[in-house]
Amino acid sequence: NAGVMQNPRHLVRRRGQEARLRCSPMKGHSHVYWYRQLPEEGLKFMVYLQKENIIDESGMPKERFSAEFPKEGPSILRIQQVVRGDSAAYFCASSPQLGSTDTQYFGPGTRLTVL
Amino acid sequence: QKEVEQDPGPLSVPEGAIVSLNCTYSNSAFQYFMWYRQYSRKGPELLMYTYSSGNKEDGRFTAQVDKSSKYISLFIRDSQPSDSATYLCAMSVTGGQNFVFGPGTRLSVLP
Repeated sequence: NAGVMQNPRHLVRRRGQEARLRCSPMKGHSHVYWYRQLPEEGLKFMVYLQKENIIDESGMPKERFSAEFPKEGPSILRIQQVVRGDSAAYFCASSPQLGSTDTQYFGPGTRLTVL
Repeated sequence: QKEVEQDPGPLSVPEGAIVSLNCTYSNSAFQYFMWYRQYSRKGPELLMYTYSSGNKEDGRFTAQVDKSSKYISLFIRDSQPSDSATYLCAMSVTGGQNFVFGPGTRLSVLP
């Protein structure tokens, strides 16, 4: 049973380009969470999605960032017109059901570097 | 003041030592408390999950929550070099979403 998959593992973009980060949840999981981790800082919650629904996006920057979790395929975190401050590790986690704190599994992360 | 504070370390201990990791927080509404272990270049792995105050033990790990002091701890007994990692505390008001993480404590267990 494969764990949470994220790709790419490393992504390099120049300022102004778009970054697309993908997350495939564990089999049977229908809830996805995205987090950002900056050096020397903890994980910051960004967004919580179910299939075709955004449940909580209170941690998402208001501009340039968007997330989706379509009926088919992986969840996508999209960052438009990237800036140097977007450089970070982005983790997604998945869980099988709502409020399932003790079964939230993290992926290996995507490390975004903006030149 | 940050919502969750954690000493970043690094904390170095000899193999076999008892390790104490701690977090303090400011939001008295937090009810769900988690500890995650994160190896370098990997995703966090859930170690312990507790609800409200009290203790929880799982093998060599013990989690303690003191809501009156807004203080949580993770104890590791008989520490091993394989325990060397960053330990993140996290907490939530509702459980299941909107976790607030501490910055993590880097632990090195020396053989």
